[in-house]
Amino acid sequence: DQQVKQNSPSLSVQEGRISILNCDYTNSMFDYFLWYKKYPAEGPTFLISISSIKDKNEDGRFTVFLNKSAKHLSLHIVPSQPGDSAVYFCAASERSAGTASKLTFGTGTRLQVTL
Amino acid sequence: DTAVSQTPKYLVTQMGNDKSIKCEQNLGHDTMYWYKQDSKKFLKIMFSYNNKELIINETVPNRFSPKSPDKAHLNLHINSLELGDSAVYFCASSPGLRYGYTFGSGTRLTVV
Repeated sequence: DQQVKQNSPSLSVQEGRISILNCDYTNSMFDYFLWYKKYPAEGPTFLISISSIKDKNEDGRFTVFLNKSAKHLSLHIVPSQPGDSAVYFCAASERSAGTASKLTFGTGTRLQVTL
Repeated sequence: DTAVSQTPKYLVTQMGNDKSIKCEQNLGHDTMYWYKQDSKKFLKIMFSYNNKELIINETVPNRFSPKSPDKAHLNLHINSLELGDSAVYFCASSPGLRYGYTFGSGTRLTVV
């Protein structure tokens, strides 16, 4: 049972344009959401997060939007740069579970930013 | 200076063997994790330790045993390796969920 879904396995965007990566979840107990970026042969690196009490969080070129009623979140990258080409994982957690919290990951979306 | 380091990076071994993967973090984090990324690229939690205490143990075969000698180390020992154990194993640490995890670079295990 996949509780976090990224339905687009890949996305190609031109440099300078906006990249929008989507993520859906099914577990209504999730209250904390994160995005990770992964390059080949490296571990995922934390990008940005959002708590369920917010609907938007911004950090430089990266913005995460959360729509709780739709159980949907998205990551916007503006403007996209070639160095953004990587696999992006959406993750979710019940932060209220404290130290027993675990991250549940989606299967990732491969973003390619072309020149 | 690597924050979360795993050794070895690659491990090729025969079915039935016993192997260990080591993980060390120098970030002072209290919580460490083992995740498995299977052939479908699905990252799934296996174990979590907080200050050397096991707090999460997902439905993982008993052949997998984590060991945490201190809060900076979380090793993974696998007995009687099977073909289906082939995957990339990631170690991670965290000071608290608000800050996300810091992952190691992964250990690619291939069982032949």
